[in-house]
Amino acid sequence: GAVVSQHPSWVICKSGTSVKIECRSLDFQATTMFWYRQFPKQSLMLMATSNEGSKATYEQGVEKDKFLINHASLTLSTLTVTSAHPEDSSFYICSARDPNADEQFFGPGTRLTVL
Amino acid sequence: AQSVTQPDIHITVSEGASLELRCNYSYGATPYLFWYVQSPGQGLQLLLKYFSGDTLVQGIKGFEAEFKRSQSSFNLRKPSVHWSDAAEYFCAVENQAGTALIFGKGTTLSVSS
Repeated sequence: GAVVSQHPSWVICKSGTSVKIECRSLDFQATTMFWYRQFPKQSLMLMATSNEGSKATYEQGVEKDKFLINHASLTLSTLTVTSAHPEDSSFYICSARDPNADEQFFGPGTRLTVL
Repeated sequence: AQSVTQPDIHITVSEGASLELRCNYSYGATPYLFWYVQSPGQGLQLLLKYFSGDTLVQGIKGFEAEFKRSQSSFNLRKPSVHWSDAAEYFCAVENQAGTALIFGKGTTLSVSS
């Protein structure tokens, strides 16, 4: 299957700083990418849907000014957690839809810890 | 609104024994259903999916799932579990817009020797 990478795989930052997480589709072009958040022993919660060249669509309750999403190319989407606080600590997972396979492929996730 | 329920948080199965993981969904129309497996350090991997047609779906790694509309269920099964199957399993349904997935809370599978 297709491969989706995320970078970094884990990050520790101080409260108040911003953190950028990259999601790349390595062997296909993804017109749509998704960002999920997963709490320990919990389900994946969709945060936003990112379409290349347009603004992301955020789910209800997700602060768009705090979680900035950019999908500048067909193979790259970034999630920036601005002014991070300890409650933002979580596991962030991206996925990319391969239009040819009509399937979503998931990245390995990024563990964010805010001190 | 669509939702997915996985009633079992944690299941332990002996190696070589059969496995069934339960999944119930809430959806108004014919659902698109998925089972994913998540292993530490790896992304979610699709085991199988159901869109239409035969209600018994075969997937990778020897898994199968049966769609039962009358019970709103899509249970995952495997006849003989291997130690490498220990992981987190998620059932999901595609949202009405057909754009994203709604996941259950997952079932942790442990395999005992």
